[in-house]
Amino acid sequence: GAGVSQTPSNKVTEKGKYVELRCDPISGHTALYWYRQSLGQGPEFLIYFQGTGAADDSGLPNDRFFAVRPEGSVSTLKIQRTERGDSAVYLCASSFNRGEADTQYFGPGTRLTVL
Amino acid sequence: AQKVTQAQTEISVVEKEDVTLDCVYETRDTTYYLFWYKQPPSGELVFLIRRNSFDEQNEISGRYSWNFQKSTSSFNFTITASQVVDSAVYFCALDGANFGNEKLTFGTGTRLTIIP
Repeated sequence: GAGVSQTPSNKVTEKGKYVELRCDPISGHTALYWYRQSLGQGPEFLIYFQGTGAADDSGLPNDRFFAVRPEGSVSTLKIQRTERGDSAVYLCASSFNRGEADTQYFGPGTRLTVL
Repeated sequence: AQKVTQAQTEISVVEKEDVTLDCVYETRDTTYYLFWYKQPPSGELVFLIRRNSFDEQNEISGRYSWNFQKSTSSFNFTITASQVVDSAVYFCALDGANFGNEKLTFGTGTRLTIIP
């Protein structure tokens, strides 16, 4: 079946602009996660959704970052007033929500470059 | 807090050699899960293995094997008879078994280069 998809694959924007990154999870997966990966680092957790609600948003770096999942499937990560330090690869993952630590399957990521 | 350490930043081996990637973790959870992911040059993270903290049996899958040592908080990954296609960055990750609070803590990765 289809894996996690993310659009766009690349996004170049100017400092101060607003961007939206989209994630389409694996069909049937109720849990969805966003991570951010800077060059040479491992992915860092941003936010986790169970269904439509954000169960844990402790990884969002500040209030410029916001994510939604209105129908419990597709999710959008929104970044306001982008800064050069926001440049990174934004990864989305999804999993079943059957119990403890179900395996997370990752999408190809969106490479965000803030000029 | 949870922490995963992959002390080997880069490793290069000649094709057909065996190679072991180290992973050491820290957690206060009594139950937790450990993972390995592969990130080839294309960039997508590929799931390799998930292991419950109560299951200390080693696991083998083809040329891949994993050694879980709870006493030393290590979960090492060995590739036998390495191939060029194994070249990638490999990440070890930890997830505390707290239902409703699922998030992976990753190490910084080990870049493995297989020299033909």
